[in-house]
Amino acid sequence: GESVGLHLPTLSVQEGDNSIINCAYSNSASDYFIWYKQESGKGPQFIIDIRSNMDKRQGQRVTVLLNKTVKHLSLQIAATQPGDSAVYFCAETHSGNTPLVFGKGTRLSVIA
Amino acid sequence: EAGVVQSPRYKIIEKKQPVAFWCNPISGHNTLYWYLQNLGQGPELLIRYENEEAVDDSQLPKDRFSAERLKGVDSTLKIQPAELGDSAVYLCASSNPPGTQYFGPGTRLTVL
Repeated sequence: GESVGLHLPTLSVQEGDNSIINCAYSNSASDYFIWYKQESGKGPQFIIDIRSNMDKRQGQRVTVLLNKTVKHLSLQIAATQPGDSAVYFCAETHSGNTPLVFGKGTRLSVIA
Repeated sequence: EAGVVQSPRYKIIEKKQPVAFWCNPISGHNTLYWYLQNLGQGPELLIRYENEEAVDDSQLPKDRFSAERLKGVDSTLKIQPAELGDSAVYLCASSNPPGTQYFGPGTRLTVL
């Protein structure tokens, strides 16, 4: 299949290690944030979301941290697996009613 | 439960030809979105529907692009005539507002 993001920032991680993917968002009025995973030839897949009244949210093997002061979002993946290899996008919106604005994306490569 | 369905998955046409993409959203999702994704970039919104009404089409190039969602369920996006620069992946997403957007697999368009 085709590659998504030939010239994206790349993070290479050893299998079993933790991964941290960072994102700077643009709109201080944004109050809802989502992380998506996109594998080659597929559409973006929802991973986890967080609202601006929280600074941390945990899912299964994933944690999202939100720092509104510096408009920074991070995705932490615990015990990274080969299946986690993909391009990861953060997205922001205001009350879910404004267009979802996607960040640049980061390619995660897991080394077995 | 079935996800967002799109067809075709791939389309190759010559410039100046028309092309159409079809999307069936997740059952019960009133909001439907069409996005354009260029290689190496995040998706960009083209149009958003609330039921059968287009509530945000500000980014849709109306000279050649059109969309419809006649019964408030499935939707069609058309390009006529296609140009070389239209080569991209066209993604459809749906949500229950103001909920998370779920994406289909996309249609990869190649204009020759």
